[in-house]
Amino acid sequence: SQQGEEDPQALSIQEGENATMNCSYKTSINNLQWYRQNSGRGLVHLILIRSNEREKHSGRLRVTLDTSKKSSSLLITASRAADTASYFCATELSGGYNKLIFGAGTRLAVHP
Amino acid sequence: DTGVSQDPRHKITKRGQNVTFRCDPISEHNRLYWYRQTLGQGPEFLTYFQNEAQLEKSRLLSDRFSAERPKGSFSTLEIQRTEQGDSAMYLCASSLPGGKIEKLFFGSGTQLSVL
Repeated sequence: SQQGEEDPQALSIQEGENATMNCSYKTSINNLQWYRQNSGRGLVHLILIRSNEREKHSGRLRVTLDTSKKSSSLLITASRAADTASYFCATELSGGYNKLIFGAGTRLAVHP
Repeated sequence: DTGVSQDPRHKITKRGQNVTFRCDPISEHNRLYWYRQTLGQGPEFLTYFQNEAQLEKSRLLSDRFSAERPKGSFSTLEIQRTEQGDSAMYLCASSLPGGKIEKLFFGSGTQLSVL
């Protein structure tokens, strides 16, 4: 079964608006990562946040992590049509599992 | 281009045939992963290698699936006696050695269609 669940499943916004995606997970983690996937392509790593961190920024991306609620959010500010893609959270479980478990993803559509 | 290459990009086969996919990871990456992704879902973990050793296999990987990584370089994933339910995107990823996974580099995937 998948560890993470993203919310919403799909999001449609206009260019220039902000997009927020949420991820919840079930068990203790070492880190949480966000990946982007354009249609029919492989995934591309966006950002990593460690279990002892609460917030990270990278360009127009802002990620938060709340380990007490076992949840994370990804904010994309000032969205562009080129941000249209699927976004997945992935968790590395603590305990030496050495693999990432992905959620089902949020499909983002940014309209010009 | 992440540097991880997969071949072929697309494979159409008839039910009952065997298929083999290849993945070439980034050369200095000693960890290699196979995932399977169906439409509208996230990638599901299948198996991973550290160098040539296959360290974990998912219960999703039935006896019809086998993966190898001879000499710790490229990897192959073979599916025997394919079934329609095997239709999916098969993704390969690699990562640097280390205790924790900081980042996976994915290939573009092999899209398998079983008719």
